Amino acid sequence: GAVVSQHPSWVICKSGTSVKIECRSLDFQATTMFWYRQFPKQSLMLMATSNEGSKATYEQGVEKDKFLINHASLTLSTLTVTSAHPEDSSFYICSARLAGRDSYEQYFGPGTRLTVT
Amino acid sequence: AQSVAQPEDQVNVAEGNPLTVKCTYSVSGNPYLFWYVQYPNRGLQFLLKYITGDNLVKGSYGFEAEFNKSQTSFHLKKPSALVSDSALYFCAVRDNSGYSTLTFGKGTMLLVSP
Repeated sequence: GAVVSQHPSWVICKSGTSVKIECRSLDFQATTMFWYRQFPKQSLMLMATSNEGSKATYEQGVEKDKFLINHASLTLSTLTVTSAHPEDSSFYICSARLAGRDSYEQYFGPGTRLTVT
Repeated sequence: AQSVAQPEDQVNVAEGNPLTVKCTYSVSGNPYLFWYVQYPNRGLQFLLKYITGDNLVKGSYGFEAEFNKSQTSFHLKKPSALVSDSALYFCAVRDNSGYSTLTFGKGTMLLVSP
């Protein structure tokens, strides 16, 4: 149980275009989902926290107009990279926390490799 | 603010030998501590967690970790390393306030030689 999927697993796009990444909790409800960015051989950097039905909370330094996050249901969150630039190329990982205040664990998706040319 | 330190960028160990990957943390209140493993171009896989109770926590694939409150450490251990254990390991911490977020260490690459 507690499986998180991401789609697509990899994507190549041209500069200036927008890319949407989906994150789904397959067998549980997730009131909270997290989006991370990871550069090669580096740790995960939290970009934003999204709660179902409300606006995402972005970490300092993350452009909310560039990285649009929507958490429309308890099983789906999307990250849209708008007007992508080569420096947006990275590995994006989503994570979902089980519904419930005392839930401890986060379950991670397999990641999406974005390459902007 | 909470933080995690993984002092080693890389740990090298021969197959069959015991391994230790170090982690220290800083957090307000009681910590929730986690270890995750990441294989190339993959997401994170959960290994084990400490929430409360016994200081020695056993997890997946024969890994264990010991919570030491006085030293604020949560080192990952395995009695006998396998070549397939070679991967990137992340320690993470959050506080027990209910809605806090995970803070990750920078990761430690474990290389197990045959």
